Amino acid sequence: SYVLTQPPSVSVAPGQTARITCGGNNIGSKSVHWYQQKPGQAPVLVVYDDSDRPSGIPERFSGSNSGNTATLTISRVEAGDEADYYCQVWDSSSDHSYVFGTGTKVTVL
Amino acid sequence: QVQLQESGPGLVKPSETLSLTCAVSGYSISSGYYWGWIRQPPGKGLEWIGSIYHSGSTYYNPSLKSRVTISVDTSKNQFSLKLSSVTAADTAVYYCAKVRDLDGAPDAFDIWGQGTMVTVSS
Repeated sequence: SYVLTQPPSVSVAPGQTARITCGGNNIGSKSVHWYQQKPGQAPVLVVYDDSDRPSGIPERFSGSNSGNTATLTISRVEAGDEADYYCQVWDSSSDHSYVFGTGTKVTVL
Repeated sequence: QVQLQESGPGLVKPSETLSLTCAVSGYSISSGYYWGWIRQPPGKGLEWIGSIYHSGSTYYNPSLKSRVTISVDTSKNQFSLKLSSVTAADTAVYYCAKVRDLDGAPDAFDIWGQGTMVTVSS
């Protein structure tokens, strides 16, 4: 089955840039989606199709995807960005299934 | 505005069947989209369970496929999850969600329900 690997945690000071990676075999050939989840809340889609933002998501959230790594970048980090972040893809191999990454806890210092 | 609301028992006994329903408002399920179930054990990550199209076509997580049934009731504008032979490992918050693409292509989950906690215990 397809595996997506994320760093368990990322720490960043307010106003700085946070980069969250999502590693997977040839992930650059897939569409990657990113979710933000705050404690006790449902996940919220923040980036879809590698780099597009849903309506209402700040421009500070951006994404890229190439080779074996996709990246979610949060610019000018705010305290309210502290949350868990998950990447997700569709695995169209024999499994035909959605796969979520292991998740990354972003801490704003 | 599309909204989803999960409902069902919060406590299920081991070996029994977990049953949840997701009521959809603001959109007619029969008009399109895939709809899915995702779960999250306490303190852990997200796990996709399965998805269903308005026509009844389904995809299931291979690791759960033998125990999962997802169905749709267009007359009630809702879809349901049944997970059989549950164990403590099935204890989780269960979310229902809508897939972004109208025509049924695999895509992001753009709208989520608030989630419902299900505990498996005797």
